[in-house]
Amino acid sequence: GENVEQHPSTLSVQEGDSAVIKCTYSDSASNYFPWYKQELGKRPQLIIDIRSNVGEKKDQRIAVTLNKTAKHFSLHITETQPEDSAVYFCAASNSGGGADGLTFGKGTHLIIQP
Amino acid sequence: ETGVTQTPRHLVMGMTNKKSLKCEQHLGHNAMYWYKQSAKKPLELMFVYSLEERVENNSVPSRFSPECPNSSHLFLHLHTLQPEDSALYLCASSQDPFTGELFFGEGSRLTVL
Repeated sequence: GENVEQHPSTLSVQEGDSAVIKCTYSDSASNYFPWYKQELGKRPQLIIDIRSNVGEKKDQRIAVTLNKTAKHFSLHITETQPEDSAVYFCAASNSGGGADGLTFGKGTHLIIQP
Repeated sequence: ETGVTQTPRHLVMGMTNKKSLKCEQHLGHNAMYWYKQSAKKPLELMFVYSLEERVENNSVPSRFSPECPNSSHLFLHLHTLQPEDSALYLCASSQDPFTGELFFGEGSRLTVL
C-alpha cells in the first residue's frame, strides 16, 4: 500500500518568512496530492491540492510543487502570518482522487514566531 | 446547521461501556467516513460508506461497529474498548468516493479509562 512520509514534524519560522513542508510517497500510481490545515481544536480543512498532470499550483501565498520522478511534493507558504500557525497534513491518493484512497502523512506543526 | 456535525464532542467511557458517536452532514454528499486521529500518527481511515453501503474496512477491530442508516447520518458504535482506543474520532464526507475534497466534522474526543 501507499506510504507517505512528511517532514519536518515541527517547523518554527519568523513572521513574514517562508515555510516549506515536504512529503514523499511510495506508490508511483498516486495521482492526487491534497494538503489539509488543522488549527488547534478545529477540524482539518483542505487548503490546496494538485494532480499529477501539473507540476505546480499556486493560490495567493500558498503553492504546492510536485516531482513525480522523485515521488515528492512540497507545500510552500510565503509571507507567513500568525494565522498560518496550525498542523499541516499532506496526503496521496492512487484512486483517481477518491478520498477513500487517501493516505495521510503524520503532520507538521507550523509555528509562526512574532 | 451546515457542514458536518459530530456529537458528542467529548466522551469518557470505561472499558465495559457501550456508547455511540454520531455524525450528520448537511452538504448533500454521498460518501461518509470515520477517521481516527492519535497524537503523532497519521490520520487513519477506519470506514468508508458510499450511498449507505460500506466500501472499505481497514481491518478495524470489531469493537468498533459503524452504521449508516442514510446518506446524511453515520454512527460509530463502541463497546469493550481499550485505553489505546483513546483518540479524536473524525467524521468526514465527500461528494462521492471519487471526488477528492473531504469535509471534516470537529471530531469526538474519546477517552477510555
